[in-house]
Amino acid sequence: KNEVEQSPQNLTAQEGEFITINCSYSVGISALHWLQQHPGGGIVSLFMLSSGKKKHGRLIATINIQEKHSSLHITASHPRDSAVYICAVSNYGGSQGNLIFGKGTKLSVKP
Amino acid sequence: EADIYQTPRYLVIGTGKKITLECSQTMGHDKMYWYQQDPGMELHLIHYSYGVNSTEKGDLSSESTVSRIRTEHFPLTLESARPSHTSQYLCASSRLAGGTGELFFGEGSRLTVL
Repeated sequence: KNEVEQSPQNLTAQEGEFITINCSYSVGISALHWLQQHPGGGIVSLFMLSSGKKKHGRLIATINIQEKHSSLHITASHPRDSAVYICAVSNYGGSQGNLIFGKGTKLSVKP
Repeated sequence: EADIYQTPRYLVIGTGKKITLECSQTMGHDKMYWYQQDPGMELHLIHYSYGVNSTEKGDLSSESTVSRIRTEHFPLTLESARPSHTSQYLCASSRLAGGTGELFFGEGSRLTVL
């Protein structure tokens, strides 16, 4: 079982829809990261959070430390939101650079 | 805007050649990472560094080496490239030890070995 699980793996939405991507983890963490990767490969950090909720424009990220779960929400989705969204956790006491990545959620927003 | 740069962006070489992928950041970050990513697949850690003269192997470090002589520079070297090395290589950095700083990624180096 992967230490970081994302769902769904693939998601297709119509423009304007509200989107939720989920991330569950099984290790102790110091922070959780949400990343966005567009076709062509570049990765951008969207959020880093260790508690509560953060908002940036149409994006909202929440984390529940007790339940070891985080969600990324996109309001009023747009075709330019089409990308792979990756959840990564900073693992307390882990090796391997302390970062554990999920497999990503591929989002496609249709006009 | 991220201040982390990778060169070359694209490289096509023959089997057996030695190559170095360059990564530089101007943010003074201590932690730097190299990841390999095949199309549609997840990131795999190759090497990481906590600072100058500190390097560690990841779960996919075979046949490559790194150095960290200066804080801003973290080059990755393949001594003898093979077709199995064909992939995208991504460099990243963060400010704090333990990975609790925001992550910044370079644009990637796409390598093709013939």
